[in-house]
Amino acid sequence: DAKTTQPNSMESNEEEPVHLPCNHSTISGTDYIHWYRQLPSQGPEYVIHGLTSNVNNRMASLAIAEDRKSSTLILHRATLRDAAVYYCILRARNRDDKIIFGKGTRLHILP
Amino acid sequence: DAGITQSPRYKITETGRQVTLMCHQTWSHSYMFWYRQDLGHGLRLIYYSAAADITDKGEVPDGYVVSRSKTENFPLTLESATRSQTSVYFCASSVSGREQFFGPGTRLTVL
Repeated sequence: DAKTTQPNSMESNEEEPVHLPCNHSTISGTDYIHWYRQLPSQGPEYVIHGLTSNVNNRMASLAIAEDRKSSTLILHRATLRDAAVYYCILRARNRDDKIIFGKGTRLHILP
Repeated sequence: DAGITQSPRYKITETGRQVTLMCHQTWSHSYMFWYRQDLGHGLRLIYYSAAADITDKGEVPDGYVVSRSKTENFPLTLESATRSQTSVYFCASSVSGREQFFGPGTRLTVL
């Protein structure tokens, strides 16, 4: 499975945008880019996913580089509740749906 | 109740005992998964199932047994618990190609 690389931790101020980077230089053409996050003492939750085009939903935006070797999860206005570990994951299409989690980025939000 | 539930939420057992962790989902999702999460290791996939009576190994299957006789249930059994299996266990389910939904987790302590 293709690997992703994320910073171990990041800090951001409350009510400011946050850009969480992810490198995936060995991504294949059939890999979707998925983001999950895990709030303290909870199970992971889905955030967003995309293939080639940028994506927006109520939680976040996903910006995908033109060569697809990197992507950025954007939280437009961070709140304290967004403090979590964010996982960038590559998920192959037409495979067995399993997800292999990496270490993720621990996001700290400063009030 | 709708959703994905796990039981028990907390369990303390002794080395050598058999323990079964239950996972139940009400969405009729075809895929179900078991993960464990340890400090410093992140989430690791133990076993997964694409449908009733179909299961497959994940990253760390040794010491665990699963079954899936009904679509909605996916129990995980530790046949002879060891201290190294002390962990938080998460169950998840999904429809093929879509996001995974995670349960609240079971915190297992093996003494």
